[in-house]
Amino acid sequence: DIRMTQSPSSLSASVGDRVTITCRASQDITDFLAWYQQKPGAIPKLLIYAASTLQPGVPSRFSGSGSGTDFTLAISSLQPEDVATYYCQKYNNAPWTFGPGTKVEIK
Amino acid sequence: QVQVVQSGGGAVQPGRSLRLSCGVSGVTFNKYIIQWVRQAPGKGLEWLAVISPDGTKQHYADSVRGRFTVSRDNSKNTLDLQMNGLRVEDTAVYFCVVVGVDPWGQGVRVTVSS
Repeated sequence: DIRMTQSPSSLSASVGDRVTITCRASQDITDFLAWYQQKPGAIPKLLIYAASTLQPGVPSRFSGSGSGTDFTLAISSLQPEDVATYYCQKYNNAPWTFGPGTKVEIK
Repeated sequence: QVQVVQSGGGAVQPGRSLRLSCGVSGVTFNKYIIQWVRQAPGKGLEWLAVISPDGTKQHYADSVRGRFTVSRDNSKNTLDLQMNGLRVEDTAVYFCVVVGVDPWGQGVRVTVSS
């Protein structure tokens, strides 16, 4: 099975900073990758699918890039409401594995 | 407006069964893949299963294959997760997810304990 890793596992940044999270697949998944945001105590929310397509209603400060095995979620200007854990998920074929998550906090 | 409403869940002893259900409105249900995801206390998201739009194909995580069964009724816009042979490690919040659509189901808690 394809393994999904994320780095870093956690980060602390200041409001307004650019933040990047990396997701890596152990094999080529082309662009079958989604990013989810889970705020504390809340259900996860879909941010990005097909590696780079923003879900309607998601702020434009979020962006996704990458293909193959290496993917990035970027937040161009971190806001207090972005405090959350972010997960990537592959969905090219089963199992649709999630990455372990990246916890984002405000410094 | 999409709504995904889950039911079922609760506390059971190891080895027992539970059935979770999910009702979906606001989308053309029979066009969507549905997945089940769970989250153990304080842990990350774990993918469990996926079912095709017509219900003919299912795939499962190794951790639940042979014990859990996902099914759907496209005439009623509902989805079920039958969980047999429950283990302590199955304790988690279970989510029903219409793939590519928000929001997820609200999640239901399953606690397996003797």
